[in-house]
Amino acid sequence: EPEVTQTPSHQVTQMGQEVILRCVPISNHLYFYWYRQILGQKVEFLVSFYNNEISEKSEIFDDQFSVERPDGSNFTLKIRSTKLEDSAMYFCASSEAQGLTEAFFGQGTRLTVV
Amino acid sequence: GNSVTQMEGPVTLSEEAFLTINCTYTATGYPSLFWYVQYPGEGLQLLLKATKADDKGSNKGFEATYRKETTSFHLEKGSVQVSDSAVYFCALISSGNTPLVFGKGTRLSVIA
Repeated sequence: EPEVTQTPSHQVTQMGQEVILRCVPISNHLYFYWYRQILGQKVEFLVSFYNNEISEKSEIFDDQFSVERPDGSNFTLKIRSTKLEDSAMYFCASSEAQGLTEAFFGQGTRLTVV
Repeated sequence: GNSVTQMEGPVTLSEEAFLTINCTYTATGYPSLFWYVQYPGEGLQLLLKATKADDKGSNKGFEATYRKETTSFHLEKGSVQVSDSAVYFCALISSGNTPLVFGKGTRLSVIA
């Protein structure tokens, strides 16, 4: 069964460092998303991406964040200068169609900023 | 704005017990409602959904009914198994191209 894969499963980084979280969406999917969950908090939408551009982003997704689809398979989330409050579980998702009725999520990357 | 509130966990049950996880929502218009599940070490998986009032979503013995009058979508299962131990997330979409809005998640532990 096709699945969304995320790497790494756990990333520890020092405050101020750049991190790149990687995702391989399902191959025939066209819509891609990043969500995050701070420990004990809600799963929050960050950004959606379609046709090589951002289609929607939340207020969390400020200038420190960027997304890219560098080739035909990867979808990355970059945080330029990490802060302690960026520590969270980051989920990637993809779907064939708009909206998330049939979205498939990855297993998540736990980012710890120290 | 749109929001989802679900009961705090963790919930610990014995095998074959009845499960209810409460979920209420606030949304404009007529949202679609979902339950996602995250098993240990895995991603979020869609468990069931309902797209209009009085619809009942069901899967793997779990059920939830879209109650517009009480703005609720409570998850139920008549007899839980150890393999149901996971985190359960209630979520909504208020229109076709808006992102999912999730609740905080409820951790369920089922003991033999």
